[in-house]
Amino acid sequence: GQQVMQIPQYQHVQEGEDFTTYCNSSTTLSNIQWYKQRPGGHPVFLIQLVKSGEVKKQKRLTFQFGEAKKNSSLHITATQTTDVGTYFCAVASGGSYIPTFGRGTSLIVHP
Amino acid sequence: DVKVTQSSRYLVKRTGEKVFLECVQDMDHENMFWYRQDPGLGLRLIYFSYDVKMKEKGDIPEGYSVSREKKERFSLILESASTNQTSMYLCASSFLWTGDGEQYFGPGTRLTVT
Repeated sequence: GQQVMQIPQYQHVQEGEDFTTYCNSSTTLSNIQWYKQRPGGHPVFLIQLVKSGEVKKQKRLTFQFGEAKKNSSLHITATQTTDVGTYFCAVASGGSYIPTFGRGTSLIVHP
Repeated sequence: DVKVTQSSRYLVKRTGEKVFLECVQDMDHENMFWYRQDPGLGLRLIYFSYDVKMKEKGDIPEGYSVSREKKERFSLILESASTNQTSMYLCASSFLWTGDGEQYFGPGTRLTVT
């Protein structure tokens, strides 16, 4: 399937610091979705990006889709302990119906 | 609220046993997926179904089969369980994946094969 690289694999931050995870593809994407999985839980949909250069915000979370539609980022401002979890991107390209998930970035927030 | 349920949260089976994992969704979604999740490897797609009796292989179908006899139900079958199939199995559903289909996940089944 589609290859997608997500970095970093882990990120430790102090509460209040910012956090960013990146999702990169070698091919042009149709869209990208972001999910969050709390420890012991299941992935929950956060957002979908479709347009080149798109930026969407959800409170302290900012999602960006690259101009070339090959990469995306999720940025959290002023992390809180409730942000702890693993953040996954899921991508599709061409006419494919089959999504490919990145390996995820695990965010650990130290109080 | 969309609900995706899985038959068991935890399952312990012996090597060589036939194992059935069941998933049911109540939102009339066309698409259903089975993933396995292992530490450091993220979610890997095993099989996918876009309609009743239709199925497509994902990235790691070896050792697994699926069944979709009704729209709301998607079963994952391990014909002869092996220890390397010990994992967390997640089922998901969506209306349509052309990029518009948010996936809804079940709580997962943690399978241990001894």
